[in-house]
Amino acid sequence: AQSVAQPEDQVNVAEGNPLTVKCTYSVSGNPYLFWYVQYPNRGLQFLLKYITGDNLVKGSYGFEAEFNKSQTSFHLKKPSALVSDSALYFCAVRDMADSWGKLQFGAGTQVVVTP
Amino acid sequence: DSGVTQTPKHLITATGQRVTLRCSPRSGDLSVYWYQQSLDQGLQFLIQYYNGEERAKGNILERFSAQQFPDLHSELNLSSLELGDSALYFCASSVAGQAADGYTFGSGTRLTVV
Repeated sequence: AQSVAQPEDQVNVAEGNPLTVKCTYSVSGNPYLFWYVQYPNRGLQFLLKYITGDNLVKGSYGFEAEFNKSQTSFHLKKPSALVSDSALYFCAVRDMADSWGKLQFGAGTQVVVTP
Repeated sequence: DSGVTQTPKHLITATGQRVTLRCSPRSGDLSVYWYQQSLDQGLQFLIQYYNGEERAKGNILERFSAQQFPDLHSELNLSSLELGDSALYFCASSVAGQAADGYTFGSGTRLTVV
């Protein structure tokens, strides 16, 4: 079984400050990891994914995430947050060995960036 | 526009009724997934289809059913609706449904059961 934990329901950050959204995962085998963002009344939009290779993954809108196998974490980061980054962020995992496995999503973290 | 089209965008219906939600995947994608998003349950996987065949099933109620047609569009049928079925229903698609594929999401159908 696979699972994802996003320990923070909400993250508050001032514009211009670094933003971190935490994610830990559990899978039987090796993971494929994803971050998605959801703006109000919109569907989820893909930000970035880790499949293999470099542990630091760069994605859309200046976001990046670091895969840490020993800590089973995949935290999302942005060096300087914008007010427009305020949204709901979802981490998701798939087991690499499970060809038809679904993406398991975390509960989501609401990010609020204040001017 | 993500390329995944969901209709209708909003639906209001009474308890006990039946509704059909429609999804057209992004061009070239063979796999379709349905998710339910509610405030208390988060994003719940319902069902996956690949090229017309059911591939994976999640927490889908017996009152719910889905299918994927030869033109690859998919329909989610919800029957004997209850107040608790009120939620956002998302469709997503991917190229092949394999583990490394990410999903492309539609903008969702907001279902309100009154």
